[in-house]
Amino acid sequence: KAGVTQTPRYLIKTRGQQVTLSCSPISGHRSVSWYQQTPGQGLQFLFEYFSETQRNKGNFPGRFSGRQFSNSRSEMNVSTLELGDSALYLCASSLINGERETQYFGPGTRLLVL
Amino acid sequence: KNQVEQSPQSLIILEGKNCTLQCNYTVSPFSNLRWYKQDTGRGPVSLTIMTFSENTKSNGRYTATLDADTKQSSLHITASQLSDSASYICVVSAKTGANNLFFGTGTRLTVIP
Repeated sequence: KAGVTQTPRYLIKTRGQQVTLSCSPISGHRSVSWYQQTPGQGLQFLFEYFSETQRNKGNFPGRFSGRQFSNSRSEMNVSTLELGDSALYLCASSLINGERETQYFGPGTRLLVL
Repeated sequence: KNQVEQSPQSLIILEGKNCTLQCNYTVSPFSNLRWYKQDTGRGPVSLTIMTFSENTKSNGRYTATLDADTKQSSLHITASQLSDSASYICVVSAKTGANNLFFGTGTRLTVIP
């Protein structure tokens, strides 16, 4: 069974631009969560999607948004990029509920904002 | 305030030796606690997940313990290997609240030959 895939793996953007990251969960998994990881803050929860609905949201500004498609694939969008958005963005999938079950992480997208 | 604290921040051990990583939390009400291993440049990989009623869980050379009364967990690595060099992250899930997962900042383990 293929694991969680994320594209692109690396991305360089400039301040003010916007970016869209993609995540394909493990086949059959319906819950997709997004996390931001930085050296100083560690892993921080962005949001969780289940059956195309945002079920949970972390404490990030509205510039961070996401969506989930009927095939459970998910995208995350960051608008008006700031230098502080440079981070590793991780996607994780689980069968139904990432808070109750094991989450399987993708390799991440490393975003650098210049 | 819901928090997860890990210690030590970093650790260097000789190959073949054992080590123990600590995780203390104040998350309430408690749902489960997980340990993840994250290699440099890769996503975390789940090692164990424990609920309130479980106090020990093993995954190969990794053994996690949980004391729900004192809100402490440890991850014991036996006979360390060079491939154990990674960051180990403790994550605690709460039963209620909008943001239910609380992450430690990790312990960076380096195993040297």
